[in-house]
Order: sequence, then structure tokens, then C-alpha cells
Amino acid sequence: QVQLQESGPGLVKPSETLSLTCTVSGYSISSGYYWGWVRQPPGKGLEWIGSMYHSGDTYYNPSLKSRVTMSVDTSTNKFSLRLSSMTAADTAVYYCTTAGTPSYCNYWGQGTLFTVSS
Amino acid sequence: SYVLTQPPSVSVAPGKTASITCGGTNFRSISVHWYQQKPGQAPVLVIYYNSDRPSGIPERFSGSKSGNTATLTISRVEAGDEADYYCQVWDSSGDHVVFGGGTKLTVL
Repeated sequence: QVQLQESGPGLVKPSETLSLTCTVSGYSISSGYYWGWVRQPPGKGLEWIGSMYHSGDTYYNPSLKSRVTMSVDTSTNKFSLRLSSMTAADTAVYYCTTAGTPSYCNYWGQGTLFTVSS
Repeated sequence: SYVLTQPPSVSVAPGKTASITCGGTNFRSISVHWYQQKPGQAPVLVIYYNSDRPSGIPERFSGSKSGNTATLTISRVEAGDEADYYCQVWDSSGDHVVFGGGTKLTVL
């Protein structure tokens, strides 16, 4: 059973970059699967950010693509998200996800709240 | 970008059947996936590829698609089914995931 756990600072200043890591257990990243991110502003719906395969095949939400960097580290079995130029509109619970295809999300982390505030 | 339309809310009495719809375009060639999200929890995939159930999801949950509408049906509704439900598709024109706005299911 794949388990995912997000980690990160929780508070980001406006214009700074969010850095978020997801630790994978129960499965080796290099064995396959797509590793992705979804966010949810407080009281609102789900928004997909993007996903990538360990070999580099990457997909992005067109509305966020210019600010998103995703990476996978097979040596530590972790994958990461960087979202630049943060504003208050980026305040959300961020979830890491995975599935055998980029087209849906089978496993989810518990989510972590990132707040953008000075 | 692809748009999925869900009713904001659906109410159902315990033991009855709830139907949550998801409207889009060109659904004939698109697979629809459904998630359940209870308050304070991460979403859970309950239906994938229109009508398949992941292991551990009760048979009371089923999915279907007709024309440009996909439907999540929950039979014999229980109080524990009260949650937000989201439909989702893969927009192959832009290679990205699209979520519907979500439907809050209230068990009366």
C-alpha cells in the first residue's frame, strides 16, 4: 500500500517560493507511477497542479505551468513541488498524489496547509 | 479549458438512493473519475474509468455515463456517506486533469 506524507514550512511570504516535499513509503518511486500535486483553497474545490513520471514525463495545469517546478528524487524516494511568486490566492491545503496514470489520483497524502502572509 | 458542471448540493434520506451528476462535453470519448472528500480529510477515489470501483469501496457506489452527463449513484445511503463529491476528467487536448466544482451530499 502506497503511503504519502507532505512536509514543508506552512507559511510563505508574498512573492516568495513554496517548497513542498512528499515522502513515499510502501513503493519505490523508480518502479513507476505518476507523482503529482493537488491543492484546495480553504472552503473551495480541488485544483490539480501537475504530475510527473520518475523518468521526466511531466504534465502541468496550464494556469500554473509558468510558476511550477516538479522533481523526483529516486535516491530518497521523495518528490517535490516548487511554486514561485506566491500570493494570497495560493493559500491552500496542498496534497501529494499518485497513480499508475496521470489521468487520475489513486493515492493521496493527508494534505498540508500553506498560508501566504507577510 | 474543459469545464465540468456539478450541482452544488444534493440531499437524500438515509436508505434512499443519491445521484450526483457531472456535465461536460464530448463525454463519449472521455473517462470520468469520482472522489469522496469528508470534512478535514483527503479525497478518496471511489470510481475510476466511469464505473470501476477501487478495492475497498462498497458496491453501493456506482458510476455511469450517458451522453454528456456522468452520474455517481450511491444506493442505500448512510450517514457516513455525507461528504463532498468531485468528478474529474483528463483533458487530452491539453494533457491535464480537470475537476468539477464539487457537490455537497447531505444525508437528511
